[in-house]
Amino acid sequence: SAVISQKPSRDICQRGTSLTIQCQVDSQVTMMFWYRQQPGQSLTLIATANQGSEATYESGFVIDKFPISRPNLTFSTLTVSNMSPEDSSIYLCSVSGTSGFTDTQYFGPGTRLTVL
Amino acid sequence: GQNIDQPTEMTATEGAIVQINCTYQTSGFNGLFWYQQHAGEAPTFLSYNVLDGLEEKGRFSSFLSRSKGYSYLLLKELQMKDSASYLCAVKGGRSNYQLIWGAGTKLIIKP
Repeated sequence: SAVISQKPSRDICQRGTSLTIQCQVDSQVTMMFWYRQQPGQSLTLIATANQGSEATYESGFVIDKFPISRPNLTFSTLTVSNMSPEDSSIYLCSVSGTSGFTDTQYFGPGTRLTVL
Repeated sequence: GQNIDQPTEMTATEGAIVQINCTYQTSGFNGLFWYQQHAGEAPTFLSYNVLDGLEEKGRFSSFLSRSKGYSYLLLKELQMKDSASYLCAVKGGRSNYQLIWGAGTKLIIKP
């Protein structure tokens, strides 16, 4: 499976500011996804990051709040804009379309965000 | 609608066997995944079933019945390190790539 890294691993931010999370993969992948996971909850898909075009957002998530970039097949960023305490969560990127199991999603280590 | 049901929490004894069930109702079906997630860590892939039957991988096995919309994850010879949440996910929504996730089953192993 691919090696996936995320930066930062954790951060504490003030209300009203923005944070950009980076996801880097050591090989080219077809699909990249961004999830949010509240403590004790399951995964909620925010959007699918599309290479060279706008991300596809799930219901309840909008580009103004969660702008996403994917400039190439190994890298993506998620920005959490104008943060509020409700945005405190773990943010995970995942990838699929690596060699081997093309349908399986593999996850980065996550970014733990706390908004004060 | 899309729905995946798993028990919220299960408890088992070290060395024993436990079966975690997952039932699903989705608009389509192109495979079912099981992931393990330890507290504070990212989910890690355990198994994938797309055809009916049992897939065995060491101490872990996963079963699928597409006609019943049912799967289970079987863990044998339980170890303390198996204490984790187990997530069931189905590929079968409106896209060929997205997964529909269950809420996860928290498994507690007691000595």
